[in-house]
Amino acid sequence: GQQLNQSPQSMFIQEGEDVSMNCTSSSIFNTWLWYKQDPGEGPVLLIALYKAGELTSNGRLTAQFGITRKDSFLNISASIPSDVGIYFCAGHPTSGTYKYIFGTGTRLKVLA
Amino acid sequence: DTEVTQTPKHLVMGMTNKKSLKCEQHMGHRAMYWYKQKAKKPPELMFVYSYEKLSINESVPSRFSPECPNSSLLNLHLHALQPEDSALYLCASSQGQGPSRELFFGEGSRLTVL
Repeated sequence: GQQLNQSPQSMFIQEGEDVSMNCTSSSIFNTWLWYKQDPGEGPVLLIALYKAGELTSNGRLTAQFGITRKDSFLNISASIPSDVGIYFCAGHPTSGTYKYIFGTGTRLKVLA
Repeated sequence: DTEVTQTPKHLVMGMTNKKSLKCEQHMGHRAMYWYKQKAKKPPELMFVYSYEKLSINESVPSRFSPECPNSSLLNLHLHALQPEDSALYLCASSQGQGPSRELFFGEGSRLTVL
């Protein structure tokens, strides 16, 4: 099925560093969702974005809905070891479908 | 309470077995989903039920049979599966109609087909 381009694919960072990742699409979306998934568990919803330009925070996480409605960004500040996992973005198309489009994932590894 | 509950958490079955995965949500959501996820890949949509009616079937083989007994429950019946069907099966729910398009996942059922 259709997937979003998500980058970087993986990253190693030092504890305390800030992290940035993004998703881009050729289509516009009316909703962006960001998830974190630990091994063997289901994805956990971190942030939902509904309006172009919207900037939303959840603790050390900040996400933005791109102005063009074709991209979204997630920043993690002052990373800690428990931030390890795979982060997925998901976009909800404007057509009202139930078919969310998922990014390919960013695997984050934090070095203590 | 933003919780989707899935059982069992782990399931091992032979290719001739019949088993079922179960999912429950009490958020009043009217859309429920089954996704299949292989290692290091994003979730892949299988089925969507909207207001207890099958809305989307992503050309899933008939050895997977979904069922929605009521608005809170979703089952996935498994029969004559193949080893390549081994994966993490995720249930999810969303509000359905309405402004919220948040999609909530359960913890998943890890299926191994021998």
